[in-house]
Order: sequence, then structure tokens, then C-alpha cells
Amino acid sequence: GDSVTQTEGLVTLTEGLPVMLNCTYQTIYSNPFLFWYVQHLNESPRLLLKSFTDNKRTEHQGFHATLHKSSSSFHLQKSSAQLSDSALYYCALRNTGNYKYVFGAGTRLKVIA
Amino acid sequence: AQTIHQWPVAEIKAVGSPLSLGCTIKGKSSPNLYWYWQATGGTLQQLFYSITVGQVESVVQLNLSASRPKDDQFILSTEKLLLSHSGFYLCAWRRTDNQDTQYFGPGTRLLVL
Repeated sequence: GDSVTQTEGLVTLTEGLPVMLNCTYQTIYSNPFLFWYVQHLNESPRLLLKSFTDNKRTEHQGFHATLHKSSSSFHLQKSSAQLSDSALYYCALRNTGNYKYVFGAGTRLKVIA
Repeated sequence: AQTIHQWPVAEIKAVGSPLSLGCTIKGKSSPNLYWYWQATGGTLQQLFYSITVGQVESVVQLNLSASRPKDDQFILSTEKLLLSHSGFYLCAWRRTDNQDTQYFGPGTRLLVL
């Protein structure tokens, strides 16, 4: 079945440094949707980014990600971390025509002053 | 504007007792609805989805059941709770146009003792 791998459980960064959270996926289908969701403490997840198009950068709220089908990756990046970015980040996959979503284990980002 | 409500906000229940969690969405007709479970410190696991009234598909078996008695209502239930049912239960709805975005409700925190 489909799977999403987020290798880092916890990433701790100093404010102002760049952010990169890894996401790779496995699916037998050729046209997956990839998503990044962010969940702040005691809140519900909300969509941060999504992509369907190969090699096209998508951006939102200072974060960006590019879907690379050749490497099955959708890494999340930001040029400069802010204290308010501290949260749990989930990478997720859904295949076209499918109602099932598969989430990665999540990466907790902790930004310190 | 669409709004999603979940009830109750939190529950403390005994092992072996029944459970019923509810979700309603207002302002959107015929939404795709989802139930997710998030163990403390764990990932988001999709439990059920429903694309129409009376039709529910199970994604994983966790001794839970779901029903969609009305277009805007999604119910999660079990007759006998297990300790492993503790966690955060989230209802979500999905736009079915090109936006392909899931919107999560505020969630219900369940503690089984």
C-alpha cells in the first residue's frame, strides 16, 4: 500500500536558520497529491501546502515545497525559521480518484531563540 | 462560510463502556467526510470516510464504527471501549472542486481508563 516517510521526529532550530523537513513517499500510482499539514499545540491540523504537479514549486506563508516524482519527495522548506513556526508538521498523500489519505509520522519543529 | 463542529469536546470513559462522537458541517452540501484518530504523540490515522448519506467506508479496523445518518452529520461509535481508543478524534471535510483541501474540526479528546 501507499506510505509516507518523515525521517525526523524532532527538529530543533535556532530562530533565523533555514528549515528543511523531509518527506518521501511510496505509491504505485503515477499521479499522487502531496500535502503538508501543520498542527500547533492544542489545535487541529490545517493545510499548509499541496501539490500535484511534478517539479513545480508551491509556496504559502513563507514555506515552499516541490514535488519531485523522480525521487518521490516533497520536502518542506523555509528560508528563515520563526518562533511561531514551532509545531507538528505532517506530510500526506492521496491518489487521484481515491478518498484515502496516508499521513507520515509527523515531524515536530521546535524553534528556539 | 462552512463550519464544522464536533461533540463532545472531551470525554473520560471507562473500558468496556459505549461511545458516540458526533460531527456536523454547516454551509456545505454533500461534503466528503472523514474520521481520523491521533494517538498522543502519534500520527494521524484515517478511520472512515463517507461521500454520501448512508454510505461509509472503513479504512482501518479499530473496533469502531461510523454512520452518516444525515448529509451534514457523521457519527463515530463503539459498543465497548478499549484502553487503546484513547486519543484525539478529528472529523474533516473535503472540498471536491480543484482545491482538494481537507478542513479539520476542533476534535474530541478521549481518555479511556
